[in-house]
Amino acid sequence: EIVMTQSPATLSVSPGERATLSCRASQSVSSNLAWYQRKPGQAPRLLIYGASTRATGIPARFSGSGSGTEFTLTISSLQSEDFAVYYCQQYNNWPPYTFGQGTKLEIK
Amino acid sequence: EVQLVESGGGLVQPGGSLRLSCAASGFTFSSYSMNWVRQAPGKGLEWVSYIGSSGDNTIYYADSVRGRFTISRDNAKNSLFLQMNSLRAEDTAVYYCAKGEGFCRGGSCYIWFDSWGQGTLVTVSS
Repeated sequence: EIVMTQSPATLSVSPGERATLSCRASQSVSSNLAWYQRKPGQAPRLLIYGASTRATGIPARFSGSGSGTEFTLTISSLQSEDFAVYYCQQYNNWPPYTFGQGTKLEIK
Repeated sequence: EVQLVESGGGLVQPGGSLRLSCAASGFTFSSYSMNWVRQAPGKGLEWVSYIGSSGDNTIYYADSVRGRFTISRDNAKNSLFLQMNSLRAEDTAVYYCAKGEGFCRGGSCYIWFDSWGQGTLVTVSS
């Protein structure tokens, strides 16, 4: 089973600033990595797939990068609606699909 | 617009059973693989089970639920199901259904989850 590790667990950033979230895989997952946003009481939302492709309707301020074992989600200029928990997920070697433990992005 | 609506959650005693449903609309349900994913209180997301699209009988389970949970689908009714038996306290979670999207290449398939429902809460407690 591939273990996904996200850092940091909590990230405090001011609105308008850039946020950088990291995700590491215990072995290579190529570019088969997705990022999801989870807000309380809402369905998880796909942001990025293929490590760097934005899903339909996702604003350009969200970008993904990386391949192999190291990945980054960058939010270029934080809006109030971006404060949420973010999860990475690998779909290269499954089952099982595995998720990181999440990064909580909070307002500084 | 894709819509996934889960139902069937509730309070059940340890050892009991529940059947979750997910009603799908806005896409050709039979053409897509589907999954169940759960989130326990204060925990992260955990994949539970996968079922292939119409004509693909592939089914997978997480080790934590294999032998206790059964995934199924009714393409005529655009519905996904999860029969949960022998429930344990650690099965307490919000359960989401999620639509698969992706591609197959070189004998492997690479499928992510492009739409999710709002979830249904399952509480296992005496």
